[in-house]
Amino acid sequence: SAVISQKPSRDICQRGTSLTIQCQVDSQVTMMFWYRQQPGQSLTLIATANQGSEATYESGFVIDKFPISRPNLTFSTLTVSNMSPEDSSIYLCSVSTPGGQETQYFGPGTRLLVL
Amino acid sequence: QKEVEQNSGPLSVPEGAIASLNCTYSDRVSQSFFWYRQYSGKSPELIMSIYSNGDKEDGRFTAQLNKASQYVSLLIRDSQPSDSATYLCAVYTDNNAGNMLTFGGGTRLMVKP
Repeated sequence: SAVISQKPSRDICQRGTSLTIQCQVDSQVTMMFWYRQQPGQSLTLIATANQGSEATYESGFVIDKFPISRPNLTFSTLTVSNMSPEDSSIYLCSVSTPGGQETQYFGPGTRLLVL
Repeated sequence: QKEVEQNSGPLSVPEGAIASLNCTYSDRVSQSFFWYRQYSGKSPELIMSIYSNGDKEDGRFTAQLNKASQYVSLLIRDSQPSDSATYLCAVYTDNNAGNMLTFGGGTRLMVKP
């Protein structure tokens, strides 16, 4: 499976600010995904990051709040904009490898606390 | 709406026992099924995948799939304290409405020495 890294691993932010999370993979991957895991909850898909086109967002998530970039096949960013305490969560990047679209591997996650 | 249901637990088993984790899903056309293990403060780690009815064994882990009953389970034999974690069931569905990996809420397993 691919080796996935995320930056930052954790951050504490003030409300109203924005944070950009980076996800780097050590090999080219077809699909990259961004999830949110709120305390004590399971994973919720925010969006699928498509290389060369706009991200595909799930219901309840919008581009203005969570802009995503995917400039190449190994890198993506997720920005959490105009943060509020409700955005405090773990944000996870995942990837699926070519030929295995449905099998996803997760990065280590970014723990975000908004004060 | 696709749903994946798991008992949140905690499921407590003694060391050396068999732990049985269960998951049901709502979309009859779901094709692929996964079990992830998530330790506290860590990200999910894929431990098993299963695609066809029956059993699939990998070391101490056995995944069981019954598509007719829309049921998938994970058995952990000779449970160890290091198996204590939350186990997430994930179901992949690809149909005309799109494709998506849907996660259950997870079952917390506690293995007591």
